Amino acid sequence: AQSVTQLGSHVSVSEGALVLLRCNYSSSVPPYLFWYVQYPNQGLQLLLKYTTGATLVKGINGFEAEFKKSETSFHLTKPSAHMSDAAEYFCAVSDLNNDYKLSFGAGTTVTVRA
Amino acid sequence: GAGVSQTPSNKVTEKGKYVELRCDPISGHTALYWYRQSLGQGPEFLIYFQGTGAADDSGLPNDRFFAVRPEGSVSTLKIQRTERGDSAVYLCASSSTGRGGYNEQFFGPGTRLTVL
Repeated sequence: AQSVTQLGSHVSVSEGALVLLRCNYSSSVPPYLFWYVQYPNQGLQLLLKYTTGATLVKGINGFEAEFKKSETSFHLTKPSAHMSDAAEYFCAVSDLNNDYKLSFGAGTTVTVRA
Repeated sequence: GAGVSQTPSNKVTEKGKYVELRCDPISGHTALYWYRQSLGQGPEFLIYFQGTGAADDSGLPNDRFFAVRPEGSVSTLKIQRTERGDSAVYLCASSSTGRGGYNEQFFGPGTRLTVL
């Protein structure tokens, strides 16, 4: 079974600073990789996904993530944080055999300081 | 268009009672998923429907949990003899097909279940 580790349950950044959220997965075969964002009282929203091809993936709201097979990582970054980025972020994976079944990390809550 | 909707948004029940949680997927989506999110954790897969049939129910924790999708649209998650450990947010998602790697799962806002 897939497992996903998100390092840091809470991250606090200043407005305009870099946002870096870490995600590592366990799999012998590169899976499909996703980042979701959850705003209070709203459903999970897909930020970006990696399936095949280019390892640097750009998503919505200025976020991007890079798939590094050698490090089994899929870290999420945004160069300049905005107050509206305050939310909870989840990394998820699915494997090629059961690619409908998402396995999520525990999530990282981001707060943005003015 | 309308997204995935879930009702009720909150449900408080007593230990031992029966509850039903409803999910209305995006119109035309053939695949539907249920996940459970306990406090401080990420969502955990429960069950996946393709059309009317449960293609994978391996995530249901025990036989007190059951889900149906009789007409291939609305789905109901049913929990019998609820226990305090069932307290969680139950999330529903739908996608245009079941191929999650290529088809985004769209999530509803969830139903927060509290078992007293």
